[in-house]
Amino acid sequence: ETGVTQTPRHLVMGMTNKKSLKCEQHLGHNAMYWYKQSAKKPLELMFVYNFKEQTENNSVPSRFSPECPNSSHLFLHLHTLQPEDSALYLCASSREGTGLNTEAFFGQGTRLTVV
Amino acid sequence: DQQVKQNSPSLSVQEGRISILNCDYTNSMFDYFLWYKKYPAEGPTFLISISSIKDKNEDGRFTVFLNKSAKHLSLHIVPSQPGDSAVYFCAANSNSGYALNFGKGTSLLVTP
Repeated sequence: ETGVTQTPRHLVMGMTNKKSLKCEQHLGHNAMYWYKQSAKKPLELMFVYNFKEQTENNSVPSRFSPECPNSSHLFLHLHTLQPEDSALYLCASSREGTGLNTEAFFGQGTRLTVV
Repeated sequence: DQQVKQNSPSLSVQEGRISILNCDYTNSMFDYFLWYKKYPAEGPTFLISISSIKDKNEDGRFTVFLNKSAKHLSLHIVPSQPGDSAVYFCAANSNSGYALNFGKGTSLLVTP
């Protein structure tokens, strides 16, 4: 248990569906992240929120839409995804942006399958 | 462009022996390096880190070595235990960047 909780753990969705991934942390951290883990690829950063402000969007397609209502919660809204978007989506948090050399704590991830 | 590289996708080691996992990086601005361990169906968990002002950091059975001139770091696990079997990710960042840059990971199997 790392203090970062992601729901759901597994999700199967059609290409026309709209779904949301949820991440919650109770570590008092101010930065939250979405990463994508595809098979045989490195972990890819998608979005960074620092003090609820989005500070990085790593050229992610608009079919992925993040939302950070407060420093404890982070959402990833999904719509009209493609089969190649099937991956493990990991949420992480850290005290502040990792540029201050603090390690990130990861959730267990959501295994997403787009059919 | 991958800035952190783990060139060995897998490694098999006998229990009790030393496991050595290697990582290379290309960005000379990186000044902080981390190793994460990941079990199947779980997120990565932080294992050990090293700042660029050091060349070695030890925590129990885990030691990370940093060779800045070669832009290379390694994780040593000794003695290796079956419970160490997992995927190990190397990560790096700089003070000016927000994100951790990860390697692809090395899958370690420790056999009894």
